[in-house]
This record gives sequence, C-alpha cells and structure tokens, in this order.
Amino acid sequence: AQSVTQLDSQVPVFEEAPVELRCNYSSSVSVYLFWYVQYPNQGLQLLLKYLSGSTLVKGINGFEAEFNKSQTSFHLRKPSVHISDTAEYFCAVSEWASGGSYIPTFGRGTSLIVHP
Amino acid sequence: NAGVTQTPKFRVLKTGQSMTLLCAQDMNHEYMYWYRQDPGMGLRLIHYSVGEGTTAKGEVPDGYNVSRLKKQNFLLGLESAAPSQTSVYFCASQRLAGGLGYNEQFFGPGTRLTVL
Repeated sequence: AQSVTQLDSQVPVFEEAPVELRCNYSSSVSVYLFWYVQYPNQGLQLLLKYLSGSTLVKGINGFEAEFNKSQTSFHLRKPSVHISDTAEYFCAVSEWASGGSYIPTFGRGTSLIVHP
Repeated sequence: NAGVTQTPKFRVLKTGQSMTLLCAQDMNHEYMYWYRQDPGMGLRLIHYSVGEGTTAKGEVPDGYNVSRLKKQNFLLGLESAAPSQTSVYFCASQRLAGGLGYNEQFFGPGTRLTVL
C-alpha cells in the first residue's frame, strides 16, 4: 500500500529566498508522483507531475521537483519565492492497482508562508 | 468549459438534517471522487466512482452516501448530519488512462459545510 509523508506542516520563508518542500512516499510498485497547490479558499490545481524519464520535473510558476527513487522522495523546490506563492502544497502518489483502477494518496499538506 | 463545479458553495445544517452536495464535470471524465479537508488532516477520500452507475468506499465513508446516475454528476449525501461532518468538501474528476494513475485530478472549488 502506498503512503505519503510531507515532512513539514509549515514552512515560513522570506520573499526572494529559495524554498524546498519535502515529500517522501512508500510503495511496493512503480508510482506516479504529483504536486498540487491550493490557494486560499480554492480547490487544488496541478503544479507538476512525474511519470517516467528525467528525474527533474519542471512545473508551473517556476517550481520544480526531483524524483529520487533510492530515497523514495519527491521534493519540491523554487529558487526564489514570491508573496503570491503563499499557499498549501500537497504531494500525492498513485500506483497501478490490480483490476484496472487505482486510488491516489495525498500527504497532509505543507503550508508555505512567504513573508515580505 | 467550466471544469468541475460544486453546489452549494456554503451550507449550515443543524444536527440530524440531511443534504446533498452536487458535483458536475464537463470534461467527460470517467473517474470522480469526493474528499473532505480538515485542518492538519490533508485530503481524505470519502467515496469514489470509476464510471457511471458504480461507486466505492474510500478512507472515511461512514455517514455519507453517493450516487453516480449520470457520468457527469457525482452526488454526496448526508442522511443525518453530525457536527463531526463540519468540513470543506472537494470533488475531483480524472480521465481514465487504461487503469493507470498518471493523469492528474481536476478539483472543484469546494463546499464549506458547518453542522451545528
């Protein structure tokens, strides 16, 4: 069974500083990995996803994530954050399940707070 | 193309009352999901559907029922609301990909429910 751990519930950072949001997963099979962002009072939207191939994945708004299979991690990074990046970030994993259907699993979320 | 819409946006119920939340998607997606989001708990799956006329239980199904009579609609019902069901409810849809989980979910804007 798959599980996702987001190691930090809250990450405060100053504007224009770099940030890393950590995500570790556990699964016994190959997985697909996602990062979603949730702005205040909105639903989630996709930031980026890793399916296969290059382990460095680029997403929207200057975010990128690196898949590390040996460490079962998929950390999200941005070299310089803006006030507008203040939001909740969710890591998610899905795997192929027998029977042709699957269920994605979400982490508990990391609140990124960007200070001026 | 409205994506995923949810009705209503806000609702206040008294303990014991019933209500139905409606989720509609216009992307012809096969999979649909209902989640609840509570502080510090991330997203928890209530029920999901892999196609018209089919539903299945998720992580926290107790106290909820669902129906998927039409492909574009997924209804979440609370038969006898309890204060523990105070939460923000999100619906999501996802395109079928041969049973593989590499397509992202599209989320609605959420329904904020308070049970007094």
